[in-house]
Amino acid sequence: QKEVEQNSGPLSVPEGAIASLNCTYSDRGSQSFFWYRQYSGKSPELIMFIYSNGDKEDGRFTAQLNKASQYVSLLIRDSQPSDSATYLCAANQAGTALIFGKGTTLSVSS
Amino acid sequence: DGGITQSPKYLFRKEGQNVTLSCEQNLNHDAMYWYRQDPGQGLRLIYYSQIVNDFQKGDIAEGYSVSREKKESFPLTVTSAQKNPTAFYLCASSKFLLRTSGGRNEQFFGPGTRLTVL
Repeated sequence: QKEVEQNSGPLSVPEGAIASLNCTYSDRGSQSFFWYRQYSGKSPELIMFIYSNGDKEDGRFTAQLNKASQYVSLLIRDSQPSDSATYLCAANQAGTALIFGKGTTLSVSS
Repeated sequence: DGGITQSPKYLFRKEGQNVTLSCEQNLNHDAMYWYRQDPGQGLRLIYYSQIVNDFQKGDIAEGYSVSREKKESFPLTVTSAQKNPTAFYLCASSKFLLRTSGGRNEQFFGPGTRLTVL
């Protein structure tokens, strides 16, 4: 069964630190990967996507993809309390729609 | 202002009642999707549509029905056959159906409808 796995957390970091969120996927045929941020009671918001091996940076966010290890990560630099949310990793596994992990809860303390 | 709208925001259903959730997008996207999210769970795909008048079942389609009469609209009906409908329902869209494209093809979500069975 095709799966996307995430550590549910909570991951707790102090304000200003780097938060590192990790995700693994089972299907080597996966083509592209997405990170969504979801605040409690709200819908997911797309914050990063990546489809090539290596790093992709956008502001304080860096997505890293290693297809050989089937591993995707999201780094959040200079973490802020407003970054406290659940982060969903999703993979396009050449199926019909994205396969989502269950999410990692991040808590940033001031 | 482009985006995806869903209505209503909150919906209450009585036992044995059918209810319809609305989803509209003005992003000119071809593909639309319905997901269900339960507390502590990932998103599960209910139905998806690649083009007008065509739609396919996802992983948990039983007890649900959809239509796609217009490109902009993809309503979801939760029927009385759905035994545990209380959940957060999310509509999404992307330019193309994800399975037909690699690379850049972002999927965006509407604000969601929270359905509760009374």
